[in-house]
Amino acid sequence: DAGVIQSPRHEVTEMGQEVTLRCKPISGHNSLFWYRQTMMRGLELLIYFNNNVPIDDSGMPEDRFSAKMPNASFSTLKIQPSEPRDSAVYFCASSLGGLAGVELFFGEGSRLTVL
Amino acid sequence: GENVEQHPSTLSVQEGDSAVIKCTYSDSASNYFPWYKQELGKGPQLIIDIRSNVGEKKDQRIAVTLNKTAKHFSLHITETQPEDSAVYFCAASNRNRDDKIIFGKGTRLHILP
Repeated sequence: DAGVIQSPRHEVTEMGQEVTLRCKPISGHNSLFWYRQTMMRGLELLIYFNNNVPIDDSGMPEDRFSAKMPNASFSTLKIQPSEPRDSAVYFCASSLGGLAGVELFFGEGSRLTVL
Repeated sequence: GENVEQHPSTLSVQEGDSAVIKCTYSDSASNYFPWYKQELGKGPQLIIDIRSNVGEKKDQRIAVTLNKTAKHFSLHITETQPEDSAVYFCAASNRNRDDKIIFGKGTRLHILP
């Protein structure tokens, strides 16, 4: 299997621009997670989907962030408008099952820099 | 909610020596404790996990121990090798409540030649 695929790997943009990050989970996995990694805050869960339905979005920092999962093989995380403090590595992960007690399979991440 | 503290933040050991990373958690109901390894430019990858009904688990050169009374758990790597250099994350969650997995801040492990 190809694993979790994320794009783009690197994105540099200017403050105020819209950013869209994309994720293709492992085929057959029914849960998908978006994480943000920074030096200060570590790995933070932003949102979690189960069977394409958003279950827990309590980690989404504010209304500028939105995520969709239109089908089982694709998800997007959008930031509009972007700000310098959004600079981080964003990871998508998928799993078979729910939030806890199951192995998470992470993609290689999308490194976002907002100038 | 759950809070996971991880120490040290950076650790350097001589190749062949052992490395120990320690974590504490706050929620006594947590019962699942995975460890993830993140290599440079990659996403974290599960290397071992332990559930609350056991005190120790081994897999070749790595082992995890769990002390539920003290609410701490540790990762032990023996006979370290250059490929062990990475960032290691501990985590905790409650499988029964299907809670989100809370990660520690990570430990950057350097294996010195």
